[in-house]
Amino acid sequence: DAKTTQPNSMESNEEEPVHLPCNHSTISGTDYIHWYRQLPSQGPEYVIHGLTSNVNNRMASLAIAEDRKSSTLILHRATLRDAAVYYCIPYNAGGTSYGKLTFGQGTILTVHP
Amino acid sequence: GAVVSQHPSWVICKSGTSVKIECRSLDFQATTMFWYRQFPKQSLMLMATSNEGSKATYEQGVEKDKFLINHASLTLSTLTVTSAHPEDSSFYICSARDVSTQYFGPGTRLTVL
Repeated sequence: DAKTTQPNSMESNEEEPVHLPCNHSTISGTDYIHWYRQLPSQGPEYVIHGLTSNVNNRMASLAIAEDRKSSTLILHRATLRDAAVYYCIPYNAGGTSYGKLTFGQGTILTVHP
Repeated sequence: GAVVSQHPSWVICKSGTSVKIECRSLDFQATTMFWYRQFPKQSLMLMATSNEGSKATYEQGVEKDKFLINHASLTLSTLTVTSAHPEDSSFYICSARDVSTQYFGPGTRLTVL
């Protein structure tokens, strides 16, 4: 499994943008970069995923480095409800890992009012 | 997005009893579901992969006779914790694999007295 490195914690103010970085220098060529977040006492929530190009959805944007060794999850305007643990996970639904997701420690995002 | 439900959301049982947790994919069919366990202040740990119509695959160190998994249909997987003990108290989370990603249930908090 590709290893990831994320900051242990980050802080933001409400309504400001947040850039959550992730290093995945050993990612394989067929792994997508998936981001999940987990609110306290809840199951993880899918946020976004991408392979090479930058991706946008209603929740966030994902910027992927050209060499794919790092990516950044962008929350354009943080709200208090965005306070969660954010996980960056290289993942291939049908790859040799048989679709297993391996969770690291993630980044704890604190949003201040 | 795809919805996965779990039942019950929490359960308290006496030591030595068995507890069954259900995981359902509500709006898609999932040939593969996954069961995770999460202890306080730790990340999710994969316990087993549940495949519809076949035996589950357990991760190293997870006792298959203690954590019984049944995946009888394309929308339902169950996890039974047999002869539960206080050390089995944890947050159990399931996920269901869609075409390109996994969607998670809300989790089940198990407390064994």
